[in-house]
Amino acid sequence: DSGVTQTPKHLITATGQRVTLRCSPRSGDLSVYWYQQSLDQGLQFLIQYYNGEERAKGNILERFSAQQFPDLHSELNLSSLELGDSALYFCASSVEPHGGRSGDTQYFGPGTRLTVL
Amino acid sequence: GDSVTQMEGPVTLSEEAFLTINCTYTATGYPSLFWYVQYPGEGLQLLLKATKADDKGSNKGFEATYRKETTSFHLEKGSVQVSDSAVYFCALGGGSNYKLTFGKGTLLTVNP
Repeated sequence: DSGVTQTPKHLITATGQRVTLRCSPRSGDLSVYWYQQSLDQGLQFLIQYYNGEERAKGNILERFSAQQFPDLHSELNLSSLELGDSALYFCASSVEPHGGRSGDTQYFGPGTRLTVL
Repeated sequence: GDSVTQMEGPVTLSEEAFLTINCTYTATGYPSLFWYVQYPGEGLQLLLKATKADDKGSNKGFEATYRKETTSFHLEKGSVQVSDSAVYFCALGGGSNYKLTFGKGTLLTVNP
């Protein structure tokens, strides 16, 4: 158990809908990262927050947005969903904001499996 | 940009066989290197890491050495067990940006 929690575990929805994925980082971790894992794209970094502020952006679509709240939990909002958005979405957390630099380790949650029908 | 290339799977071995999964990288600056493991139906777990050239990471019998001259971080284990069956990801952190860049993953199946 990494200490990172994600809800829900599974989500099934229809095209055009909007969903919210939630992540609680490990106690004491200030950085939260979101990743998308799909069969064709592999693991892709979406976005990072550090202590409430957006820190880095990756291959995140404009239909997707995220935020980190004062209690450090984070939410990833996916809107106007398309079939191709079906994937596993992982949240990770770390103490530092460095994203792996200097060995800053990211701890991953169990993921949310999103299925868009 | 940063990239990680790891050997294509799947890899199928018998119990107690020797394991090598190759990983090479391209990065600017001085990245850290990681191996993560994903068991069926679970998230990624850190297996080992190395933060500078010639560092060796090790955990649970797995080892990998950060080779700057060959830009490699190959994963090895002397004697695999059935319980090692999983997908293994090589990752690079902190190259030109603040994210982990992952290889495509290698599925390992160990048969009794």
